[in-house]
Amino acid sequence: GAGVSQSPSNKVTEKGKDVELRCDPISGHTALYWYRQSLGQGLEFLIYFQGNSAPDKSGLPSDRFSAERTGGSVSTLTIQRTQQEDSAVYLCASSPGKGQEKNIQYFGAGTRLSVL
Amino acid sequence: KNQVEQSPQSLIILEGKNCTLQCNYTVSPFSNLRWYKQDTGRGPVSLTIMTFSENTKSNGRYTATLDADTKQSSLHITASQLSDSASYICVVNPGGYNKLIFGAGTRLAVHP
Repeated sequence: GAGVSQSPSNKVTEKGKDVELRCDPISGHTALYWYRQSLGQGLEFLIYFQGNSAPDKSGLPSDRFSAERTGGSVSTLTIQRTQQEDSAVYLCASSPGKGQEKNIQYFGAGTRLSVL
Repeated sequence: KNQVEQSPQSLIILEGKNCTLQCNYTVSPFSNLRWYKQDTGRGPVSLTIMTFSENTKSNGRYTATLDADTKQSSLHITASQLSDSASYICVVNPGGYNKLIFGAGTRLAVHP
């Protein structure tokens, strides 16, 4: 596609439920990032995928958070047993991973998660 | 601790006026600094990226400056337009990593 696509754009869930957020990166981009943006806060790094390398999961806040990237393209961020403090906008970004602009990140519009 | 501080937190200006947004950082090592524009409900979009050796970079009406010695950057917007209303985020790359450090942003509102 033309840009990074995220779905759903909005998700309302009840505390304790599991949610899955999806990210379709720009075709050909080898690097994919997940961030969390809370109100009035800077973006918080969650996880980074680069090609077939093991992902950098150092930003995941707890073991309730996990992410996969299947076939080096689409990624899913899963939050288990959601808590109210998980409410935020979850942003996905991809970058070419090579060339002059290898680290320029292109962001999706995000998924706004509200945990009631 | 690696931090990026932006000021002001919010700003209101009249259409056609200029404004300058500030970014101070304590990130080390340093690879590059980026300014992003984030419209409400959208993801951030890159405006400029500057490496250690670059002092200024322009993108249309946006001009970013960098002083790597004092670890300060500014984003100057000339002849503001209503469409400039957005959050402007300063982002520092500590180098050798792919985890950027984001400021909390400056929310700019341009009024007619």
